[in-house]
Amino acid sequence: DIQMTQSPASLSASLGETVTIECLASEDIYSNLAWYQQKPGKSPQLLIYDANSLQDGVPSRFSGSESGTQYSLEINSLQSEDAATYFCQQYHDYPYTFGAGTKLELK
Amino acid sequence: EVQLVESGGGLVQPGASLKLSCVASEFTFSDYWMSWVRQTPGKTMEWIGDIQYDGSYTNYAPSLKNRFTISRDNAKSTLYLQMNNVRSEDTATYYCTLTTEGMDAWGQGTSVTVSS
Repeated sequence: DIQMTQSPASLSASLGETVTIECLASEDIYSNLAWYQQKPGKSPQLLIYDANSLQDGVPSRFSGSESGTQYSLEINSLQSEDAATYFCQQYHDYPYTFGAGTKLELK
Repeated sequence: EVQLVESGGGLVQPGASLKLSCVASEFTFSDYWMSWVRQTPGKTMEWIGDIQYDGSYTNYAPSLKNRFTISRDNAKSTLYLQMNNVRSEDTATYYCTLTTEGMDAWGQGTSVTVSS
């Protein structure tokens, strides 16, 4: 199975700041990576697919990038509604696998 | 807007069987792959499996393949997850998802608790 190592497990940031969340794949996943946002008590929502494509309706302050097997989610100009847990997921090979999640808290 | 509504969860005893359903609307269900994903009480996300748009092909997490079965009824726009011989570690919230590149849409989830 492809392992997705996500970091950090949690972070705290202030309104207006920029944060980066990372996922390291245990092998090449050829940009087949998605990022999800899950707010407390809610279902996950797709933010980014194919490593850097923004899902319709997602604010442009969210962006994805990659460098080798390292994938990053950047959130610019943090808003209060960005407080959530973020997950990465690879869909290059079965079984699909998720990162452990990053809980983002707003100060 | 895509709607996915899961049902069928609840409290079940170890060793029992359970069938979850997911009714889809506001999109052409028969055109899409669908998946089941579960989230444990500790918030770990686990992919269970997926099914091709016409139901002719399925994939499963190896650890679940022998106990879980995914099926669909396109005439009813409904996705199913048959769970057999459930164990305490199957306690989770179960989501159905519309799957393209990534999981475009998720249902609200149905909670399954396995306990005697």
